[in-house]
Amino acid sequence: EVQLVESGGVVVQPGGSLRLSCAASGFTFDDYAMHWVRQAPGKGLEWVSLISWDGGSTYYADSVKGRFTISRDNSKNSLYLQMNSLRAEDTALYYCAKDSLVEAAAAPDYWGQGTLVTVSS
Amino acid sequence: DIQMTQSPSSLSASVGDRVTITCRASQGISNYLAWYQQKPGKVPKLLIYAASTLQSGVPSRFSGSGSGTDFTLTISSLQPEDVATYYCQKYNSAPPFTFGPGTKVDIK
Repeated sequence: EVQLVESGGVVVQPGGSLRLSCAASGFTFDDYAMHWVRQAPGKGLEWVSLISWDGGSTYYADSVKGRFTISRDNSKNSLYLQMNSLRAEDTALYYCAKDSLVEAAAAPDYWGQGTLVTVSS
Repeated sequence: DIQMTQSPSSLSASVGDRVTITCRASQGISNYLAWYQQKPGKVPKLLIYAASTLQSGVPSRFSGSGSGTDFTLTISSLQPEDVATYYCQKYNSAPPFTFGPGTKVDIK
C-alpha cells in the first residue's frame, strides 16, 4: 500500500524558513517523480514543484521560484521542500504526491494527508 | 504558461442527473489532462488521466473526453457520494502542471 506522510508544518514568521519532509513507502520510490501541491485555506489546489525520479531535474511554480527548493534522498525514500523567505500567501496545507508514471512526469496518483504551514507574525 | 479554466464554478443537481464539467486550456495540451475529486476535508483523488482513461477503482459513471484545448468530465448519474470539488490539471511537456480553479458539485 502506497503511503506518503508529510511533516514539518508549523507556524513561522514572515521572512522565515521551513523544511517540509515526506516519508514514502509501499512503492519503489526511485522509480517515480514526486510533486508538492498546496492548498490555501478554503481555496483550490496549486501545483508547487516537481522533482524527477533521479533528482536530476526540478521544476517550480512561478509563485515559489527562487524561494523554495525541492530535493529527495532515494536512499531514505524521502522527499523534501526547503521553503525560504516565507510570505503570508504561502500559508497552506502542503501535500506530497507520487507521480503516476515510471520515470516520467505526469499527474500525481497518490497523495499524503498534508502538513499545514502557517506564515504569520 | 498555459492557463486552465473550468466552468461552471459550481453547480447543483439532483440525484440521478447527468452532470458535465468543462475544462479549457489556453493552449493545446493534446490529451495530457487529469481530473481529480476532492471531497470536503479529504485528500484529492485521481479520477481520470490522459483525458479519458479511468483510474483503477473509479466508478464507471465517471467519464472524460476531449483533446487539445477543450475537455469534459461527465458524471452519468449523480450520486450523493459525488458531492465534491472537481479539478482538472494539465501535465503536458514541461511544468508548471497547472490546476484549474475547481468546480463545486452539490445535490439539489
